[in-house]
Amino acid sequence: AQTVTQSQPEMSVQEAETVTLSCTYDTSENNYYLFWYKQPPSRQMILVIRQEAYKQQNATENRFSVNFQKAAKSFSLKISDSQLGDTAMYFCAFMKGGGGAQKLVFGQGTRLTINP
Amino acid sequence: DTAVSQTPKYLVTQMGNDKSIKCEQNLGHDTMYWYKQDSKKFLKIMFSYNNKELIINETVPNRFSPKSPDKAHLNLHINSLELGDSAVYFCASSERALGGSPLHFGNGTRLTVT
Repeated sequence: AQTVTQSQPEMSVQEAETVTLSCTYDTSENNYYLFWYKQPPSRQMILVIRQEAYKQQNATENRFSVNFQKAAKSFSLKISDSQLGDTAMYFCAFMKGGGGAQKLVFGQGTRLTINP
Repeated sequence: DTAVSQTPKYLVTQMGNDKSIKCEQNLGHDTMYWYKQDSKKFLKIMFSYNNKELIINETVPNRFSPKSPDKAHLNLHINSLELGDSAVYFCASSERALGGSPLHFGNGTRLTVT
């Protein structure tokens, strides 16, 4: 079974700083996908970024980028020029590739606070 | 034009009651899910349907019964509610059951059992 571990329960940075959230996972699969989701206080789950394991290039979405290290099974999220609206719980998630029934397996989450 | 909508947003009920949560998606997706988020914010899958067919059924008490009348709707009925059922329940959908399709989540239903 796949497991996802986020070792930082909470983080706090000043506005405009850069912050990196850690995520490691355990799997024997070779074909899989990794995601970061954001959950602000409004409770909504918002997709931040997606990475295919077969792609060596790290995914980027505006101020959000990942550092995907497949051999180390590490998938960290970097938020540049952090903004107050980035305050949220951040969840790392794993999904197997291929056919059949697939599901997202989530980490425990990291609570990120951006201070003014 | 909400993509994945759940009702109700909040549900407060007493132990032993039966309640339902409804979910609808207008994204044209084939696959729908129910996730449970506990008090520590941990998210765990409960069920998944693909085109009205149950494809994932995690270890969930029989008191929980999902129903999918069509691929745009997935409801969750809970019998004989217990205190431990208090949680936020999220409905989600994805384009297809194949790996890699991102899940789109509803805004959640906070269930409180007293």
